[in-house]
Amino acid sequence: QVQLQESGPGLVKPSETLSLTCSVSGDSISNQYWSWIRQPPGGGLEWIGYIYYSGSTNYSPSLKSRVIMSVDTSKNQFSLKLNSVVAADTAVYYCARWFCANDICYHLDVWGRGTTVTVSS
Amino acid sequence: VVTQEPSFSVSPGGTVTLTCALSSGSVSRGHYPNWYQQTPGQAPRTLIYNTNTRSSGVPGRFSGSILGDKAALTITGAQADDESDYYCMLYIGSGIRVFGGGTKVTVL
Repeated sequence: QVQLQESGPGLVKPSETLSLTCSVSGDSISNQYWSWIRQPPGGGLEWIGYIYYSGSTNYSPSLKSRVIMSVDTSKNQFSLKLNSVVAADTAVYYCARWFCANDICYHLDVWGRGTTVTVSS
Repeated sequence: VVTQEPSFSVSPGGTVTLTCALSSGSVSRGHYPNWYQQTPGQAPRTLIYNTNTRSSGVPGRFSGSILGDKAALTITGAQADDESDYYCMLYIGSGIRVFGGGTKVTVL
């Protein structure tokens, strides 16, 4: 059974960097695409971006200037860094796996339970 | 921008169709529409992907389609536990995905 687990600080100060890690168990991170998604309190889902196991990335244009994703295949983990955070970055952050076939990625088929990050001084 | 109806109400056993529109034009199969269901405090789960493919374990009362210029999710024979938030996601090119704002469905 594939499981994803987000981890990282639950509180980040404004202007600092939010750092989260997603640990994957029950599956190899290799040869697959992975994403981060967030959801502000009472709000909708926002796609942050994806990373391929090789390290190639693609980010949401609205967050591109502040986001860095990375992957550590030896630990079967991938990570998110969001810099210069503001209160509006307060959200539940989810990591998820893409279901892909024939060079097309169709949907996010496995999700972590999410971790709440609050931006506040 | 991807737009969904903010809310819908449906009677038990009734049918409801949620839509997903793209501000830049028509939604097509090339946008690989997917639909996610989310209940409070839970992560989303896929109902439909690639326009009309039901994800494993999803009941047959959920179906996806393209209706006119929008992607659509239809619940036929709604049940009480279908009361959830529903999100569409579209591929808009250059590797970018966008979620709709979500539709809150009430069954009463």
